[in-house]
Amino acid sequence: DQQVKQNSPSLSVQEGRISILNCDYTNSMFDYFLWYKKYPAEGPTFLISISSIKDKNEDGRFTVFLNKSAKHLSLHIVPSQPGDSAVYFCAADDGTSYGKLTFGQGTILTVHP
Amino acid sequence: ETGVTQSPTHLIKTRGQQVTLRCSSQSGHNTVSWYQQALGQGPQFIFQYYREEENGRGNFPPRFSGLQFPNYSSELNVNALELDDSALYLCASSIGTRAFNEQFFGPGTRLTVL
Repeated sequence: DQQVKQNSPSLSVQEGRISILNCDYTNSMFDYFLWYKKYPAEGPTFLISISSIKDKNEDGRFTVFLNKSAKHLSLHIVPSQPGDSAVYFCAADDGTSYGKLTFGQGTILTVHP
Repeated sequence: ETGVTQSPTHLIKTRGQQVTLRCSSQSGHNTVSWYQQALGQGPQFIFQYYREEENGRGNFPPRFSGLQFPNYSSELNVNALELDDSALYLCASSIGTRAFNEQFFGPGTRLTVL
């Protein structure tokens, strides 16, 4: 039962353009969402998060949008840079007292110079 | 400030054996969570340790067990290894137990079970 899904295994974008990574979820109990970035041979690194009481959160070039009614969130990267090339995971927290994150399968982003 | 470190980097075991993986948390972090990442999948939560006790567990059998030490470092033990246990094992440390407390991940241990 995949509660968090990233349906695009990969995305290729030209440098300077916008990258949009998508994530869908099924569990209505999720109340906090996070995006992580992972480079090869490194652990995931926190990128940006959003609480379920908000519909947008922005941090520099990164913006996360949350559509609760559609159970959908997206990460926008503008402008995209070659150094953004990595695997991006969305993750969700169901509000339990311990830090269980439910991750999607990941999307490989490639930004071409 | 030292980040999260894990040892060993790679490990090869045979089915039925036991393995111990180690994690040193980031300085000042009192909580450690362990994840299993199979090839092509996202990390899957195994359990969390806080104040040297298991604080929560995902859908993993009891042959997956752990420890947390007074210095907050942690071990993951897996008994009776199965082929499906082959994966990247990640630990993450944080200040506080909730998932919105930023978790800092180590580079992982790649376990191969033959």
